[in-house]
Amino acid sequence: GAGVSQSPSNKVTEKGKDVELRCDPISGHTALYWYRQSLGQGLEFLIYFQGNSAPDKSGLPSDRFSAERTGGSVSTLTIQRTQQEDSAVYLCASSVTRDQVGYTFGSGTRLTVV
Amino acid sequence: SQQGEEDPQALSIQEGENATMNCSYKTSINNLQWYRQNSGRGLVHLILIRSNEREKHSGRLRVTLDTSKKSSSLLITASRAADTASYFCATDAVWGGGADGLTFGKGTHLIIQP
Repeated sequence: GAGVSQSPSNKVTEKGKDVELRCDPISGHTALYWYRQSLGQGLEFLIYFQGNSAPDKSGLPSDRFSAERTGGSVSTLTIQRTQQEDSAVYLCASSVTRDQVGYTFGSGTRLTVV
Repeated sequence: SQQGEEDPQALSIQEGENATMNCSYKTSINNLQWYRQNSGRGLVHLILIRSNEREKHSGRLRVTLDTSKKSSSLLITASRAADTASYFCATDAVWGGGADGLTFGKGTHLIIQP
């Protein structure tokens, strides 16, 4: 597609459930990033993928968070045993390469844990 | 951690006036970027300035960078109601080593009064 696509756009889940968030980057963009934005706050970096390389997971807030990127394209962010503090907008972005020329962001997934 | 810090946190001006937002950061950077966010969803890349550049223009936008003071400013001239949004600076740190993404500040919320 022409832009970065994220799904679902909104997700309400019960505390303790697992959720999967999906990101489909722009075709040909080798770099993919996940960020989290809590209400009224800046963006918190979570994880970065460069092509098929193994990512650095040190930005993930806890071991309940995991992410994968299949075939160097679509990425899935999984949150296990969700907690209320996980409620936020999860934003995915892609760029042509790691050498920054500006990210293209998706519209995000608004996650609400009740 | 948040490297970029925008100032002011909120700014309200009359349509037609110029809006100036500032960003300070802490570490050496490869480049600094400005993004706009409407309604708390996806961010739109506005402009990128590299560490060896001092000023850059794009339409009604003017960005300056002072690496000695570790600061940048974004000027929007002849503001319009459609410029109402949150504006974020983001830095690509030299020490990143390719394992992380841009570091975003908390943003300046700009309101243009018609």
